[in-house]
Amino acid sequence: AQKITQTQPGMFVQEKEAVTLDCTYDTSDQSYGLFWYKQPSSGEMIFLIYQGSYDEQNATEGRYSLNFQKARKSANLVISASQLGDSAMYFCAMSLSDAGGTSYGKLTFGQGTILTVHP
Amino acid sequence: ETGVTQTPRHLVMGMTNKKSLKCEQHLGHNAMYWYKQSAKKPLELMFVYNFKEQTENNSVPSRFSPECPNSSHLFLHLHTLQPEDSALYLCASSQDLGRAGTDTQYFGPGTRLTVL
Repeated sequence: AQKITQTQPGMFVQEKEAVTLDCTYDTSDQSYGLFWYKQPSSGEMIFLIYQGSYDEQNATEGRYSLNFQKARKSANLVISASQLGDSAMYFCAMSLSDAGGTSYGKLTFGQGTILTVHP
Repeated sequence: ETGVTQTPRHLVMGMTNKKSLKCEQHLGHNAMYWYKQSAKKPLELMFVYNFKEQTENNSVPSRFSPECPNSSHLFLHLHTLQPEDSALYLCASSQDLGRAGTDTQYFGPGTRLTVL
């Protein structure tokens, strides 16, 4: 069965600095997708970034980048130039696909990391 | 309205009540999902619908009954709930269950449910 592990319950970063949130995953499947979501205190899960298992380039979306190391089964999120509004819970998640690349629609989430940005 | 909306945002109910949670997506998606988020636990997938057909029931107790009348609406009917069912219930949608990338899920703001 697939599993997502986020080992950092909480992280602190100074405003304008970069921060890396760790995520490791466990699956024997070859086709999968990796996602990061942000959950502010309001509760809504906000999609940040996606990486496919066959993508050779690391995904980037504005200040977010995903450091994908397939052999190590890690998919760390890097947030550059942190802002106060980045303070939130961050979840790493994985979806599996069949051999043809069709998604099963099941997201497995990690426990999350609470990020606090200090002014 | 844009994105995924959920109503009500907060709900308090007794164990003998019957209530329904509503989710509506304005993204033109074909797949919809219900998740449960309890305190200090990862999100748990409950149900998946693709083109109005249920494709996943993650061993959810029958006191939770989903309904998907069309690709834009998803309901979760609740009856005889237990206090341990108190949680944040999140709805999500994705384009479909197709190739990687089209299954990116977009979430609503959630309904915070308290069962007394």
